[in-house]
Amino acid sequence: EDQVTQSPEALRLQEGESSSLNCSYTVSGLRGLFWYRQDPGKGPEFLFTLYSAGEEKEKERLKATLTKKESFLHITAPKPEDSATYLCAVQSHSQGAQKLVFGQGTRLTINP
Amino acid sequence: EPEVTQTPSHQVTQMGQEVILRCVPISNHLYFYWYRQILGQKVEFLVSFYNNEISEKSEIFDDQFSVERPDGSNFTLKIRSTKLEDSAMYFCASSQTRGGNTIYFGEGSWLTVV
Repeated sequence: EDQVTQSPEALRLQEGESSSLNCSYTVSGLRGLFWYRQDPGKGPEFLFTLYSAGEEKEKERLKATLTKKESFLHITAPKPEDSATYLCAVQSHSQGAQKLVFGQGTRLTINP
Repeated sequence: EPEVTQTPSHQVTQMGQEVILRCVPISNHLYFYWYRQILGQKVEFLVSFYNNEISEKSEIFDDQFSVERPDGSNFTLKIRSTKLEDSAMYFCASSQTRGGNTIYFGEGSWLTVV
């Protein structure tokens, strides 16, 4: 069974203090690993899709990396508006599989 | 930027009543999904839909649930007889292709069963 575990559950940083969020996964053949941002009461907002180990993607202050067992979301010099829950999800290569399996998320708070 | 739209944003219903949640996926997308998130818990997959039929469903998606694409733009989730435990945020999502492609989510419909 595909599983995703995110750590830490919650993280408080000062504005400008860089850090990383972790997503560990087990999947029967990875088709894609997805990162989403979710604000309270809102739907997941797409950030990145990573497909193979060694791949990296960047968007503004965020950079996502992927290994065979985990992914990291690096946040450089964060601002208060980066405060949100960050969700990781995997999609497997299993025949017919389309579903995303989500982790429980990391709740990030950036203090000014 | 194209987006997935959902209605209603919030619905309160009595236990045992039927509920229909509506979604307009992104126009050139071919795969449609419903997910749900119970307060404080993970986002969970319910069902995927392609070419006018269910292509994958989870254990949660039992006989009380059904999906339909009644016309060229709408995609609906029906819960026949709601239970208290159906209270959750329901997200519609869509993608262009089946696998490894960006899946875009709507803002959700918050369902409260009383």
